[in-house]
Amino acid sequence: TQLLEQSPQFLSIQEGENLTVYCNSSSVFSSLQWYRQEPGEGPVLLVTVVTGGEVKKLKRLTFQFGDARKDSSLHITAAQPGDTGLYLCAGPNSGYALNFGKGTSLLVTP
Amino acid sequence: NAGVTQTPKFQVLKTGQSMTLQCAQDMNHNSMYWYRQDPGMGLRLIYYSASEGTTDKGEVPNGYNVSRLNKREFSLRLESAAPSQTSVYFCASSELVTGDYEQYFGPGTRLTVT
Repeated sequence: TQLLEQSPQFLSIQEGENLTVYCNSSSVFSSLQWYRQEPGEGPVLLVTVVTGGEVKKLKRLTFQFGDARKDSSLHITAAQPGDTGLYLCAGPNSGYALNFGKGTSLLVTP
Repeated sequence: NAGVTQTPKFQVLKTGQSMTLQCAQDMNHNSMYWYRQDPGMGLRLIYYSASEGTTDKGEVPNGYNVSRLNKREFSLRLESAAPSQTSVYFCASSELVTGDYEQYFGPGTRLTVT
């Protein structure tokens, strides 16, 4: 199993602050996905990064895939309460399905 | 388009009881998955079905069985529930199983075994 380590595990910030969460592995991945899960719901895909060094932007969210394709980061600018949730990274597991990290739980307070 | 639906949403079982969790998708996806989510453990794959007629074990298959009834439906059965199976169970589907494809998740079933 290719392990994905996410940090920090928990993050509590005020509205308007910036933050970065990380997803790291000792293994190379062909791609990485980021999901957001809101309380009481299933995860929803935010983005897939497939090329080493790739940067993708989704409004105030910026995703980066490491040059060596072993790590990824998610940066949120000017966080809002609607960004609250569990952020999960995931990568292909030996050619089938997905291997998920344990997630970063983000709380943004007004 | 309902996406992925799961029933029931909540269930309480006594140790030793059996039950089946139902999952259906209307996106014509080939692959379907069952995960469990526990605090501090993330999502762990129980079983998956790459295509209709095939099923394979994931990371934590012990105590569970699955049936891919047709292309739309994938059920998870607990034959003799144990307290360690208290968890939130998610069904998901994707176009293909290779892992590069987006997975669409249902809303989950919250199971408590007493």
